[in-house]
Amino acid sequence: NAGVTQTPKFRILKIGQSMTLQCAQDMNHNYMYWYRQDPGMGLKLIYYSVGAGITDKGEVPNGYNVSRSTTEDFPLRLELAAPSQTSVYFCASSYGVWANTIYFGEGSWLTVV
Amino acid sequence: DAKTTQPPSMDCAEGRAANLPCNHSTISGNEYVYWYRQIHSQGPQYIIHGLKNNETNEMASLIITEDRKSSTLILPHATLRDTAVYYCIVRVVTGTASKLTFGTGTRLQVTL
Repeated sequence: NAGVTQTPKFRILKIGQSMTLQCAQDMNHNYMYWYRQDPGMGLKLIYYSVGAGITDKGEVPNGYNVSRSTTEDFPLRLELAAPSQTSVYFCASSYGVWANTIYFGEGSWLTVV
Repeated sequence: DAKTTQPPSMDCAEGRAANLPCNHSTISGNEYVYWYRQIHSQGPQYIIHGLKNNETNEMASLIITEDRKSSTLILPHATLRDTAVYYCIVRVVTGTASKLTFGTGTRLQVTL
C-alpha cells in the first residue's frame, strides 16, 4: 500500500513551458486534492475532485488544469509556466465527505526560471 | 469559513509537555477542529480532531473549550522528532466536498 505517490519530486521549468504533475493513490479514495505551498506559508487548495469525472476549483486555480479520468489518478497540469508558480505542490486524498484523515503525498518541488 | 489564529512559534524542552493553542472564535456548530503537522517540508500528517469533547489518541490530546472558541493541542512528552509546524484547521464542508484550509501554523522547536 503505497498511499499517495507524486512524480516528479523535483523539476525546473522555463517560463512559458508546460508540464504535468502526476498523482496516484492506491487506497480507493474518492476525494483527491492539489495544494501548493509557498515558502514560509500554509497550504492553499488549487483544485479538488470528489470522484472520477468530477473536479472543482479551490482557492488558487488560475494557471492550472486538472482531470480525473480514474479513481486512482489526479494529474495537475501547468500551462505557460510563470515564476509565480514556483512552489511545492502536494497531492492528497481522502475517503468520503466526513473522512477523518486526509493523506498527503511527499510533495513536488517546482522552480520556474 | 471559520478562521484560526495560532502563535507563529513556540519552544519546548524535550520530555516536557508541549501545549499549542489555537483560537477559532467564529467556528460554527457543525465544524470540527483538526490538527495536522508538517515535518521539514514533508506532506502534512494528521494528528487528531474533535467537535466539542476532549479527545486523546496515541499521538496527542485535544482540549476544546466549552464555548468552542479555542482549543489546545497537547503533546504529553515532546521529543526532538516532534519539531514541526503544527496546523490548527477548522474543517469546511462545502456541498459534497470536504476541504481543509491551512493557515501558517505554529513552528514548534523541541530542544534538549
